[in-house]
Amino acid sequence: QKEVEQNSGPLSVPEGAIASLNCTYSDRVSQSFFWYRQYSGKSPELIMSIYSNGDKEDGRFTAQLNKASQYVSLLIRDSQPSDSATYLCAVDSGNTPLVFGKGTRLSVIA
Amino acid sequence: ETGVTQTPRHLVMGMTNKKSLKCEQHLGHNAMYWYKQSAKKPLELMFVYSLEERVENNSVPSRFSPECPNSSHLFLHLHTLQPEDSALYLCASSQIGGAGELFFGEGSRLTVL
Repeated sequence: QKEVEQNSGPLSVPEGAIASLNCTYSDRVSQSFFWYRQYSGKSPELIMSIYSNGDKEDGRFTAQLNKASQYVSLLIRDSQPSDSATYLCAVDSGNTPLVFGKGTRLSVIA
Repeated sequence: ETGVTQTPRHLVMGMTNKKSLKCEQHLGHNAMYWYKQSAKKPLELMFVYSLEERVENNSVPSRFSPECPNSSHLFLHLHTLQPEDSALYLCASSQIGGAGELFFGEGSRLTVL
């Protein structure tokens, strides 16, 4: 059973701080990794994808991947109240549909 | 219209009713999916259609019946549901051989009385 684990939170950070969201996965052959953001009452939307070890930056968001340790993380710099949402980690092993974690609920306090 | 659209957005039905959820994608993708999202659970994959053929049925009860008449449309037919089937049903699409990203519709919130 392929699993993706996330701390469900809530993770509370003050406005302007760095939010760090973590995800571990069980399938060592996983190739592609995604972070989706889901606002309350809305559908998930893709915000970051990462395919190789290291960091990938996009604006205030940085995805980090460590395949040896089987974890992927998402850092949000200068967190804003509008970043308050549930963040879903998803993992693609190449020949099966994406496997999602339960999501981490982030609350940015103004 | 762009993206993935789902109708209806909200549905309330009794256990003996028959209803259908509809999904349409305008992204030119060739794979479509139904997911179920319940509180405090990961997204649960229900069905996958690739090039209009069902390639995965994730042990879903027969009271849920999918239909994919073409690559742009996907239906989920519902009959004799149970209260525990109340959830958000999300449709998604992707491109086979692409980078694996899924594009989701806004979802259909189903309540079974």
